[in-house]
Amino acid sequence: QQQVKQSPQSLIVQKGGISIINCAYENTAFDYFPWYQQFPGKGPALLIAIRPDVSEKKEGRFTISFNKSAKQFSLHIMDSQPGDSATYFCAASPSTGGFKTIFGAGTRLFVKA
Amino acid sequence: NAGVMQNPRHLVRRRGQEARLRCSPMKGHSHVYWYRQLPEEGLKFMVYLQKENIIDESGMPKERFSAEFPKEGPSILRIQQVVRGDSAAYFCASSPLQGDTGELFFGEGSRLTVL
Repeated sequence: QQQVKQSPQSLIVQKGGISIINCAYENTAFDYFPWYQQFPGKGPALLIAIRPDVSEKKEGRFTISFNKSAKQFSLHIMDSQPGDSATYFCAASPSTGGFKTIFGAGTRLFVKA
Repeated sequence: NAGVMQNPRHLVRRRGQEARLRCSPMKGHSHVYWYRQLPEEGLKFMVYLQKENIIDESGMPKERFSAEFPKEGPSILRIQQVVRGDSAAYFCASSPLQGDTGELFFGEGSRLTVL
């Protein structure tokens, strides 16, 4: 019930290509779905987030697609750049009463120049 | 506005010693969360605290681990009698009491190595 499943574990994409990372959750109490980006030796930082009242959110080259009925959501990185090489975590949490967040296992993205 | 401050950044302990990790949340934040990250793995929730209260410790091992967030001062994650399996990066995050989003603000982590 508390798990967030993320795939793939690692991803290699050519510069300019599209990176796609998928996640699935079980707990219907989750109503906030963020993606965090982590560079080596650093803490995770929020990249983009979505609530289940919309099916898509776009910020620059980053887009979240959300399918409430399937309990799945995905991150698309358009025109991927070498600077995007990092570990990406999907996550889920309630958005009231505290924000205890459950993270997926992470996807290590490498963008080849 | 200073971010989440964790110290020490790196800590080396021998088996059986104690490790104390400290976290000062962002100014105005009253919620603190501790996560553990093992090499090549994701972030595992350990404990969620508010000032002077443990709200959820469902991810904390029952033995040797404890956490507190006193009225004054930083939150502390304490690991007694450390073992090699405790070697990991421990991240602290904070969030405000009320907010438009569920964003967590992370520190840069404390990396514990147990010899």
